[in-house]
Amino acid sequence: NAGVTQTPKFRVLKTGQSMTLLCAQDMNHEYMYWYRQDPGMGLRLIHYSVGEGTTAKGEVPDGYNVSRLKKQNFLLGLESAAPSQTSVYFCASGGSDRSSGANVLTFGAGSRLTVL
Amino acid sequence: SQQGEEDPQALSIQEGENATMNCSYKTSINNLQWYRQNSGRGLVHLILIRSNEREKHSGRLRVTLDTSKKSSSLLITASRAADTASYFCAPRNTGKLIFGQGTTLQVKP
Repeated sequence: NAGVTQTPKFRVLKTGQSMTLLCAQDMNHEYMYWYRQDPGMGLRLIHYSVGEGTTAKGEVPDGYNVSRLKKQNFLLGLESAAPSQTSVYFCASGGSDRSSGANVLTFGAGSRLTVL
Repeated sequence: SQQGEEDPQALSIQEGENATMNCSYKTSINNLQWYRQNSGRGLVHLILIRSNEREKHSGRLRVTLDTSKKSSSLLITASRAADTASYFCAPRNTGKLIFGQGTTLQVKP
């Protein structure tokens, strides 16, 4: 049971290049999220999904696109990378907490992206 | 905004002492969740308290919730060096979960 897996773990891009971050979860969770975290800062929500085939904007969606074609996967795309997108990206999936039954998040290990 | 705001931003204590961090929010909630982040890692869920609960315990963790003041507190008792991390609260009333900047806790051995 791997939980939430993010690939790649590290990537260096040049300004203007495109790339896709992949998030995969094996817990059959409905909810999935993409966050970014800049040094010394908290997490900011980019996009999220409440189920297969659905996506919604978070706090900082500009410059990113997402897709949730399969329940277990949530892809984050950068069409034209900019230095301001240099960050650590975290994916999370939301499922029922054992004790409360409420929806809590399980996070991946992060993907460190540098845009030169 | 659904975001929680943690206070203090940074906290430094000696091993064995208790650590208290606070969270304030602005909207009505269904529940409030606390997470921990060790340096460079993803967040880990610690404890959840529902809007109709006032206090909850889990091991050395104690969470309180005051919906009239829109605030919550997380108490870590008998802290250990391994508790050194950042702690985030996340008030929740919809599908999305928005985090604040967190409280950075340093526990000195």
